[in-house]
Amino acid sequence: SQQGEEDPQALSIQEGENATMNCSYKTSINNLQWYRQNSGRGLVHLILIRSNEREKHSGRLRVTLDTSKKSSSLLITASRAADTASYFCATAVFLAAGNKLTFGGGTRVLVKP
Amino acid sequence: KAGVTQTPRYLIKTRGQQVTLSCSPISGHRSVSWYQQTPGQGLQFLFEYFSETQRNKGNFPGRFSGRQFSNSRSEMNVSTLELGDSALYLCASRPVSTDTQYFGPGTRLTVL
Repeated sequence: SQQGEEDPQALSIQEGENATMNCSYKTSINNLQWYRQNSGRGLVHLILIRSNEREKHSGRLRVTLDTSKKSSSLLITASRAADTASYFCATAVFLAAGNKLTFGGGTRVLVKP
Repeated sequence: KAGVTQTPRYLIKTRGQQVTLSCSPISGHRSVSWYQQTPGQGLQFLFEYFSETQRNKGNFPGRFSGRQFSNSRSEMNVSTLELGDSALYLCASRPVSTDTQYFGPGTRLTVL
């Protein structure tokens, strides 16, 4: 079963608009990460936010984390056509046997020029 | 540094056959993880290797196995292939100091 569930499953916006997607998870985590995947390719790491952090920025990306609600959001500001991709949240849990990263179902973002 | 490489990039097999996929991590990365991605099930964790030892395993049948060599390169093997094994298999490596995974381009496996 997936730890993270993302909402919406798909998003279509115009270039220049902001895109927001959300991730909810079920168990306590050590950190939460966001990745981007262009069609049929490998994933690219975007940003990592630790469980004791509430907000983080990286360029046009803003991530928030609310551990009380077990949710996170990713905001892409001033979107570009090149931002068209699938975005995945991944929760990291430290286990005695080693770290475990569990991915959500992803949000497909289409940025129209 | 060179990125994570996976070979082959595409593979077509028939049911009942077995397949071996290869992954070369980024130099210096000792952890290698494998994931299966399908439209129906999404991204699912297969296993993680660190210093030649399997540290974590997902909920996959025993037909799925892997190993890691002393140079951190990893292979995964799927025996007795089923149609449902058709997927993009992704390998990721990471350094000891971080949880950030660096993904390879994947191997697209089609089982006919």
